[in-house]
Amino acid sequence: GAGVSQSPRYKVAKRGQDVALRCDPISGHVSLFWYQQALGQGPEFLTYFQNEAQLDKSGLPSDRFFAERPEGSVSTLKIQRTQQEDSAVYLCASSLGRTGFGQPQHFGDGTRLSIL
Amino acid sequence: SQQGEEDPQALSIQEGENATMNCSYKTSINNLQWYRQNSGRGLVHLILIRSNEREKHSGRLRVTLDTSKKSSSLLITASRAADTASYFCAMRTGANSKLTFGKGITLSVRP
Repeated sequence: GAGVSQSPRYKVAKRGQDVALRCDPISGHVSLFWYQQALGQGPEFLTYFQNEAQLDKSGLPSDRFFAERPEGSVSTLKIQRTQQEDSAVYLCASSLGRTGFGQPQHFGDGTRLSIL
Repeated sequence: SQQGEEDPQALSIQEGENATMNCSYKTSINNLQWYRQNSGRGLVHLILIRSNEREKHSGRLRVTLDTSKKSSSLLITASRAADTASYFCAMRTGANSKLTFGKGITLSVRP
């Protein structure tokens, strides 16, 4: 079956613009995660959904970052008034179960965001 | 902040050799996972070891966990050029579903 799909793969925006990044998780996966990965670093947690409920958004760096998953499947990460430090790869992952009990996460290939 | 630290940061070996990568962490964990990332791609789950387990195998992969030392190691036996990638350890702490990743190890396998 299809894996986690993210779009666009690359996004270039000017500082101050708003961007929206999309994630299509594996069908039937309850949990969905967003991560930010800077060059040469490991992914950093941003937010977590269980179905449509956003259970943890503690990793969102500022109130410019907003994520939603209104129908419990597709998720969108929105960044308002982008700044250069927002440049990174944004990774989405999904897992089958509701919690972290031995559930591997399945990652998409990410969206590489460049802010000019 | 990142809880896991991998060692070494970079590793270059000849095809056929074994590769050993280490991960240390700071706080108690529920489980520890290893992921591989090829350049420009997402992460691929390799193996998961729970806090009450000491060793797991999957094909050419062997993972050990020493909770007293707060460390784990990943051994890749009989390495292949296709194993060239970055490898990350990730910790899941308790009932919290977050994964906390280390900075990664860059493995290069020379043909």
